[in-house]
Amino acid sequence: EPEVTQTPSHQVTQMGQEVILRCVPISNHLYFYWYRQILGQKVEFLVSFYNNEISEKSEIFDDQFSVERPDGSNFTLKIRSTKLEDSAMYFCASKGDTEAFFGQGTRLTVV
Amino acid sequence: EDQVTQSPEALRLQEGESSSLNCSYTVSGLRGLFWYRQDPGKGPEFLFTLYSAGEEKEKERLKATLTKKESFLHITAPKPEDSATYLCAVQVPQGGANNLFFGTGTRLTVIP
Repeated sequence: EPEVTQTPSHQVTQMGQEVILRCVPISNHLYFYWYRQILGQKVEFLVSFYNNEISEKSEIFDDQFSVERPDGSNFTLKIRSTKLEDSAMYFCASKGDTEAFFGQGTRLTVV
Repeated sequence: EDQVTQSPEALRLQEGESSSLNCSYTVSGLRGLFWYRQDPGKGPEFLFTLYSAGEEKEKERLKATLTKKESFLHITAPKPEDSATYLCAVQVPQGGANNLFFGTGTRLTVIP
């Protein structure tokens, strides 16, 4: 069964450092997303990506965040200068015609 | 302003004790309502999509229903492996055509 793959599963970084979270969406899907979930809180939408450009972004997705689909298969989320409050689970999702499928997440810990 | 509210926050059931989880929404122009299951430390796992009032979907011990204001996830004769957090999410026009807005979930524990 096709699945969304995320790497790494856990990333620890120092405050102020850049991190790149990677995702391989399901191959025939056209819509790609990043969501985050702070421990004990709801899953929150960050950004959606379609046709090689951002289609929607939330208030959370400020200038410190960027997304890229560099090679037609990977989909990345970059945080330029991490803050303590960026610590969360980050989920990538991809969607074909109907429902979105989520990856297992990257746990980002900023220290 | 919360668009999706789930209740109860937590639910403990004995194995075999059927119950229902509620998801109420305050959006207009609902494009779709989604149920996901989330295990600790894992990503949401898709269960059902509902698009219009009166629609029902069923899978094993789970059945999802939709009205104009809320959705229910009915769990019949649950087993311990049904223990998880169940998330409800909506697609709304003003939030972008395909983005999901999640509730806080119901944490279900099924006791053997």
